[in-house]
Amino acid sequence: DIQLTQSPSFLSASVGDRVTITCRASQGISSYLAWYQQKPGKAPKLLIYAASTLQSGVPSRFSGSGSGTEFTLTISSLQPEDFATYYCQQLNSYPAFGQGTRLEIK
Amino acid sequence: QLQLQESGPGLVKPSETLSLTCTVSGGSISSSSYYWGWIRQPPGKGLEWIGSIYYSGSTYYNPSLKSRVTISVDTSKNQFSLKLSSVTAADTAVYYCARQGLPTLFDYWGQGTLVTVSS
Repeated sequence: DIQLTQSPSFLSASVGDRVTITCRASQGISSYLAWYQQKPGKAPKLLIYAASTLQSGVPSRFSGSGSGTEFTLTISSLQPEDFATYYCQQLNSYPAFGQGTRLEIK
Repeated sequence: QLQLQESGPGLVKPSETLSLTCTVSGGSISSSSYYWGWIRQPPGKGLEWIGSIYYSGSTYYNPSLKSRVTISVDTSKNQFSLKLSSVTAADTAVYYCARQGLPTLFDYWGQGTLVTVSS
């Protein structure tokens, strides 16, 4: 089974900051990775797929990169509505998610 | 706009079977491009994929839950369903249904329904 490990698990940042979240896969998954945003009490929302393709309607301050075993999600300038929990998901065979990164306001 | 809505009991007794249905509106569950999946999230924890089904009835399940899971589809009602047997408190979670694009991308989600396992 492919395991995904996100870091950090918790991140405190301010509006306007640039933040990066990392997702590492236990084996190579090419570009088969997606990122989701989840706010309290809500379903996850798809942000990025194929490691770097922005889902329609997602603001351009979100970007993704990486391939193989290491991937990053970057938010270029945090907005108040971006404070949430972020999950990566590998898109190979059996779906699997990272443990999540909780992004909070400093 | 595609919408998914979970329904079913919010309380299930230990050792019994959890049963949920997802109703799809604004699109056809018989689309050849998609699977339909179930994902759960225990309170305060992360996401766990349970299993997925194609409109033809083809299924695949999380190996860790496979022995207890059955997912079925009713194309006439545009619904798919989840059954999880022999539940314990560890199965207490918010259960989501979602549309699964290829290969395993979840692009539309239901709002989720909390199922508590307790006597």
